[in-house]
Amino acid sequence: GDSVTQMEGPVTLSEEAFLTINCTYTATGYPSLFWYVQYPGEGLQLLLKATKADDKGSNKGFEATYRKETTSFHLEKGSVQVSDSAVYFCALTTGGSYIPTFGRGTSLIVHP
Amino acid sequence: DGGITQSPKYLFRKEGQNVTLSCEQNLNHDAMYWYRQDPGQGLRLIYYSQIVNDFQKGDIAEGYSVSREKKESFPLTVTSAQKNPTAFYLCASSIGASGGLSTDTQYFGPGTRLTVL
Repeated sequence: GDSVTQMEGPVTLSEEAFLTINCTYTATGYPSLFWYVQYPGEGLQLLLKATKADDKGSNKGFEATYRKETTSFHLEKGSVQVSDSAVYFCALTTGGSYIPTFGRGTSLIVHP
Repeated sequence: DGGITQSPKYLFRKEGQNVTLSCEQNLNHDAMYWYRQDPGQGLRLIYYSQIVNDFQKGDIAEGYSVSREKKESFPLTVTSAQKNPTAFYLCASSIGASGGLSTDTQYFGPGTRLTVL
């Protein structure tokens, strides 16, 4: 079946550091890929998505590129802020199903 | 503003009691979902519904029940048969089949934290 693997956290960074959170996937067909973010005590919200190979999703300074050859969708941000502290979930959906498969989430802690 | 509301935010239950969590959406979405979130385990799908009066079990449906009598509402009942119900419960909705399947984005409510005393 489909699966999503994320790097384990927590990831701890100082403010203005560069962020990478790795995400790789296994899926049949050609999935759409998503990053969701969950701030403390809240529900998830969509951060960005990409629906075909080589697409780049971007939002709020975050970026991720759909790499079919490496089955990856790594999340990056050039300069993190304390307010970026949250849990980040990578997810996919495949053709014929809109039920997403989620990764386990990666906690990001940014110190001033 | 359109969105999803869940109530209550915090809920306490005694062992052996059933409890119902509310989920309402005004996004005109066809599909609705219930997830359970435990620390370090990500999201696990409990039930989902693609259309009114129809719903399917997810990965961990045992001990839970749902109904979908209205498009806007998808309440979840945690029954006494659920052995370890203490968790954070998230409701979500998406456009569903009418909006194009594989690019469907999920919209989440703020969650209900259930604690069994």
